[in-house]
Amino acid sequence: AQSVSQHNHHVILSEAASLELGCNYSYGGTVNLFWYVQYPGQHLQLLLKYFSGDPLVKGIKGFEAEFIKSKFSFNLRKPSVQWSDTAEYFCAVYGGSQGNLIFGKGTKLSVKP
Amino acid sequence: GAGVSQSPSNKVTEKGKDVELRCDPISGHTALYWYRQSLGQGLEFLIYFQGNSAPDKSGLPSDRFSAERTGGSVSTLTIQRTQQEDSAVYLCASSSPDSNQPQHFGDGTRLSIL
Repeated sequence: AQSVSQHNHHVILSEAASLELGCNYSYGGTVNLFWYVQYPGQHLQLLLKYFSGDPLVKGIKGFEAEFIKSKFSFNLRKPSVQWSDTAEYFCAVYGGSQGNLIFGKGTKLSVKP
Repeated sequence: GAGVSQSPSNKVTEKGKDVELRCDPISGHTALYWYRQSLGQGLEFLIYFQGNSAPDKSGLPSDRFSAERTGGSVSTLTIQRTQQEDSAVYLCASSSPDSNQPQHFGDGTRLSIL
């Protein structure tokens, strides 16, 4: 069965620090990859997605992610975080014959002002 | 509204009671998904509807869980004889028929079983 692993459960950073959240997936075929964000009290929102083409994907709010097929990874990055980036971040894969998303357990990001 | 709508937003009920959770997807979205988010866990897939096809029920944790989608739009997730471990946030998502479109999520229903 497909699975998604997020390495960090909780990350605490100061404003302006750089961010990298790890994500590895298990499925070996063609995959569609996503990062979703859930701000406190809000619903899940799409940050960015990868389907094909350039493995470096730009998303909203200055986030980007790089798909590295050989490492089964799709890490999320942001050069300089802001307090407003405090949220929970979920990596997900959509692949194979199932229509659903397989999510990682999420990484909670706390940014200190 | 333009987004996925779920109701109720919160539900508190006693163990053993049945509950119904409702999802109203974005108009025109043929795919509808139910997920469960439990404390300390990620999002767990429950069931998937795509158009008029038979739903993919592979994620339902037990036969106490069922879901239907009437008229290809609104969906109801039913949990019978609720147990305390059913306490979670139940999320609904929908997506358009295009294969490369992401899922849009509702605000969820927070279910608490006493």
